[in-house]
Amino acid sequence: KQEVTQIPAALSVPEGENLVLNCSFTDSAIYNLQWFRQDPGKGLTSLLLIQSSQREQTSGRLNASLDKSSGRSTLYIAASQPGDSATYLCAVQGSGYALNFGKGTSLLVTP
Amino acid sequence: NAGVTQTPKFRVLKTGQSMTLLCAQDMNHEYMYWYRQDPGMGLRLIHYSVGEGTTAKGEVPDGYNVSRLKKQNFLLGLESAAPSQTSVYFCASSGGTRTPWELFFGEGSRLTVL
Repeated sequence: KQEVTQIPAALSVPEGENLVLNCSFTDSAIYNLQWFRQDPGKGLTSLLLIQSSQREQTSGRLNASLDKSSGRSTLYIAASQPGDSATYLCAVQGSGYALNFGKGTSLLVTP
Repeated sequence: NAGVTQTPKFRVLKTGQSMTLLCAQDMNHEYMYWYRQDPGMGLRLIHYSVGEGTTAKGEVPDGYNVSRLKKQNFLLGLESAAPSQTSVYFCASSGGTRTPWELFFGEGSRLTVL
């Protein structure tokens, strides 16, 4: 069974810092990896999707990388802002239809 | 531009009562999913559907039933609610032509079983 781990569980940084969130998975036979954002009391919003054949994806201040062979992905957030405060979840899709989610990293960006 | 809509958003049930959660999507997506989210457990897949008239079990299907009679709707039923089913339930869909595996989530339905 695919296990997805996110480290750290919580992170607090001052505004303006660049930061990295980590995601690791146990089975490298994945179809894609997705990063989501979840605000308190809300649903998940897709941020980036990386296909298994890709190494990275970028959207604005966000950059996600994928190293399938080592079972790792990172989400890089440049010049963090208080509005980036949320929980960030990583999920991997194997051969089936379902995504396996990590438990998330709770990010707080302080002014 | 509604996306994925879940009703109701909040519900309180007594043990043994039944209820249905409704999920509707307006993106013509083929695939729909029901997840539950619990503190310390993350999101876990309950049931999913790969098209109208189809359903399949996910990781934690016991105590739930689903139906997909119309492509745009995916219903999650609890026949006899138990306190262990207290959770936040999320519906999601995927199957867009540009990014077929990108998931779109609803806002969630918070269920409390007393």
